[in-house]
Amino acid sequence: KAGVTQTPRYLIKTRGQQVTLSCSPISGHRSVSWYQQTPGQGLQFLFEYFSETQRNKGNFPGRFSGRQFSNSRSEMNVSTLELGDSALYLCASSFLPGSSYNEQFFGPGTRLTVL
Amino acid sequence: QQPVQSPQAVILREGEDAVINCSSSKALYSVHWYRQKHGEAPVFLMILLKGGEQKGHEKISASFNEKKQQSSLYLTASQLSYSGTYFCGTGNGGATNKLIFGTGTLLAVQP
Repeated sequence: KAGVTQTPRYLIKTRGQQVTLSCSPISGHRSVSWYQQTPGQGLQFLFEYFSETQRNKGNFPGRFSGRQFSNSRSEMNVSTLELGDSALYLCASSFLPGSSYNEQFFGPGTRLTVL
Repeated sequence: QQPVQSPQAVILREGEDAVINCSSSKALYSVHWYRQKHGEAPVFLMILLKGGEQKGHEKISASFNEKKQQSSLYLTASQLSYSGTYFCGTGNGGATNKLIFGTGTLLAVQP
């Protein structure tokens, strides 16, 4: 089975621009979560989607948004980029929601640099 | 709210053992352990559930102490491939995949 794929792998943007990141979960997985990883804050939860519905959202400003499509693929969007948005954005997929029972498998991430 | 991991970093020789701890200020329902190598995705190692159920990597063991709100990961007879940063993530037991990740433990195994 192919793993979680994320595109693009690297992205350089300037302040004020917007960016869209894509995540394709493992085949058959219907739940997708997004995390931001930075050296200072570590891994922080952004949001979670299941069956095209956002089930949970982390403490991030409204500039961060996401969606999930009927084929379970997910995108996240960051508008009006700030320098502090530079980070590795990781997507994780699992078969179902419910952290108590389900392994989550991470993709390789998208490294976003904001200049 | 973020779980605290200890130690922050550890250096081992091949064949030595290590214990990585994850302590939470909140009640634990599930603990997920991951290893991340530099520039790579976190790799799932193990889930520990309230009540004692575990599933994960055959060669790695862990414990879950509900009273102490703590989990420990035991790495025995370490190999070079064990090097990386280990993260614990805690779940709240609800129907959500949201995990709160710990501060990370950097493990370096030397020949």
